[in-house]
Amino acid sequence: ETGVTQTPRHLVMGMTNKKSLKCEQHLGHNAMYWYKQSAKKPLELMFVYNFKEQTENNSVPSRFSPECPNSSHLFLHLHTLQPEDSALYLCASSPDRELNTEAFFGQGTRLTVV
Amino acid sequence: RKEVEQDPGPFNVPEGATVAFNCTYSNSASQSFFWYRQDCRKEPKLLMSVYSSGNEDGRFTAQLNRASQYISLLIRDSKLSDSATYLCVVNTLYGNKLVFGAGTILRVKS
Repeated sequence: ETGVTQTPRHLVMGMTNKKSLKCEQHLGHNAMYWYKQSAKKPLELMFVYNFKEQTENNSVPSRFSPECPNSSHLFLHLHTLQPEDSALYLCASSPDRELNTEAFFGQGTRLTVV
Repeated sequence: RKEVEQDPGPFNVPEGATVAFNCTYSNSASQSFFWYRQDCRKEPKLLMSVYSSGNEDGRFTAQLNRASQYISLLIRDSKLSDSATYLCVVNTLYGNKLVFGAGTILRVKS
């Protein structure tokens, strides 16, 4: 069983919809991340949170809005998305932002925008 | 220039073969290096960390060459179950900003 859980696993939404992706980690980590993986492209870092504070926003469009209420939970709020936003969205966590450790990934949410 | 570059492959090899992947990185300040494995439609999972002195884990050997800024992964005695995409990952000194390569596809065939 993975220590990082993402819901939903699959999501189909229209361009005018608003939806949220949820990520929860049970590993006691302090850093959490959102990555986007499009077909045949490398993983792209979107956001980094460390101790609930956003420390990185990798030029992500404002139609993606992250929220980190505590060190265990991370959300990605979606609104007015475009078809090109269809991708696998992966959440990850690591023990600490500064310790250069590996990240542990959730199983991802496969998003389709129609 | 991409921060992390890998040959996308695919590498098609028979069972039992030895196969090697290389990865180059552009940021000389990079401090941590990893190989992740990603199966089709699954999340990436850590395969092994890469240390300056090189490290081995069973059939897998990872090497780091800081002077030339590349890391390698050697897989001996390939198994069908080794078929996956192998991701080279680099982390810089300041902050856990893991940068992923696009991945190298390995297909092991009987």
